[in-house]
Amino acid sequence: AQSVTQLGSHVSVSEGALVLLRCNYSSSVPPYLFWYVQYPNQGLQLLLKYTSAATLVKGINGFEAEFKKSETSFHLTKPSAHMSDAAEYFCAVSGAGGYQKVTFGTGTKLQVIP
Amino acid sequence: NAGVTQTPKFRVLKTGQSMTLLCAQDMNHEYMYWYRQDPGMGLRLIHYSVGEGTTAKGEVPDGYNVSRLKKQNFLLGLESAAPSQTSVYFCASSYSLRGTGDTEAFFGQGTRLTVV
Repeated sequence: AQSVTQLGSHVSVSEGALVLLRCNYSSSVPPYLFWYVQYPNQGLQLLLKYTSAATLVKGINGFEAEFKKSETSFHLTKPSAHMSDAAEYFCAVSGAGGYQKVTFGTGTKLQVIP
Repeated sequence: NAGVTQTPKFRVLKTGQSMTLLCAQDMNHEYMYWYRQDPGMGLRLIHYSVGEGTTAKGEVPDGYNVSRLKKQNFLLGLESAAPSQTSVYFCASSYSLRGTGDTEAFFGQGTRLTVV
C-alpha cells in the first residue's frame, strides 16, 4: 500500500520568500513521486517527478524537490515566490514500472502575499 | 495535440437522473483513470483501466460504472445520481515506458457536476 501525507492544507508566503511545501510518503516498493499543480478551475499539471534517477529533481517554474529516503520525504521548494505561484499543489506516489495506481495527497493551497 | 478532453465541462442533474461523462485522449496511452475531487480530500480514484476492454474499481467506485470499448475513450456513468456525487470529476491518462518504468499522468480540465 502506498500513501502520501501533505503537511499543511494552507500555506501563506510573502512574494519573494522561500516556498516550502511538505510531503511524506509511505510505500512498500521503491516509489515514484510526483508534484502536480492545479490553478483555479483547471486540471492538474505535472511540476516534476522522481523516478529513481537523481534525488534532486528540478521542475517547471523554478520549483525543485529532493527525494530523501531516510526521511521518506519529497518536499517541494522554490527560492523566491511569485504571485503567479498561487495555486493548489498535490504530492502523489506510485510504484515503479508497469501499471501502478497513483495515490494523491489531500493538497496544499499556496497563498502568495504581495 | 489535444491531450485529454472531457465532455461536458459543467452539468446539473436532478437526484435520480443518469448521465455519462466522456473522456478522450489522443496520446495512445494504455492507462486511463477517473477521479473525483472534493474540498480537503484530494483526488480519489473512482475507476481505472489498464487497457482497452478492461476496467477496475478504485477507492470510491460505488454509484459509478465505466467502460473502455476503445483505447482512446473512457466513459464514466452515473445510473442514479445522488447529491453526494456533487463533485469535480477529472479524467487522466498515463503511459509507462517498458524498461525504464518511467510514467506520467495527464489530466483533463475537469467536469463540475452538481446534483440537486
